[in-house]
Amino acid sequence: NAGVMQNPRHLVRRRGQEARLRCSPMKGHSHVYWYRQLPEEGLKFMVYLQKENIIDESGMPKERFSAEFPKEGPSILRIQQVVRGDSAAYFCASSPLPLQQSSYNEQFFGPGTRLTVL
Amino acid sequence: AQKITQTQPGMFVQEKEAVTLDCTYDTSDPSYGLFWYKQPSSGEMIFLIYQGSYDQQNATEGRYSLNFQKARKSANLVISASQLGDSAMYFCAMREGIQGAQKLVFGQGTRLTINP
Repeated sequence: NAGVMQNPRHLVRRRGQEARLRCSPMKGHSHVYWYRQLPEEGLKFMVYLQKENIIDESGMPKERFSAEFPKEGPSILRIQQVVRGDSAAYFCASSPLPLQQSSYNEQFFGPGTRLTVL
Repeated sequence: AQKITQTQPGMFVQEKEAVTLDCTYDTSDPSYGLFWYKQPSSGEMIFLIYQGSYDQQNATEGRYSLNFQKARKSANLVISASQLGDSAMYFCAMREGIQGAQKLVFGQGTRLTINP
């Protein structure tokens, strides 16, 4: 059973370009979470999606960022008109069920996409 | 307010010694979960150990154990018999949010260096 796949692993963009980050969850997982990690910091939650639905986007910047998880295909995190401050590692995690308060439920992380904005 | 606090930016330990990485958390929910992840220089996030707030015993996974002190709201990671391969960033995280829409909140991390 393949783990969470993310591509590309490294992405270089110039200011003003668009960045598209892809995440294929583990087989059978329908819950996807995106996190951003700035250099020397911990991961910060961005968005939680189920198939075709955004459940929680409270951590996502209001402008330039969007995410989707279509019925078929990977989840996409899209950053329009990138700026230098968007340079970070972006991690995707998946789980078979929503994280629950009352039971152990692990999120499986992908290897991350390292975005560099020149 | 910081939900997860890791007060040790860096730690240096001699190989084969035990090491404790500190983590304190803040929540008003009676039910919560605490996680530790390892991030080596290659960058991936590796799950190490989990502790549920209602678990009666401290979690253990091989050389990893979690010193869970609920009243103090601390969940320190203990690594016994440290190895060179343990050198990495270590993150403590807590599950938070409303039912059905929870996510992980991470601390700032501790960089652990094991010296030969």
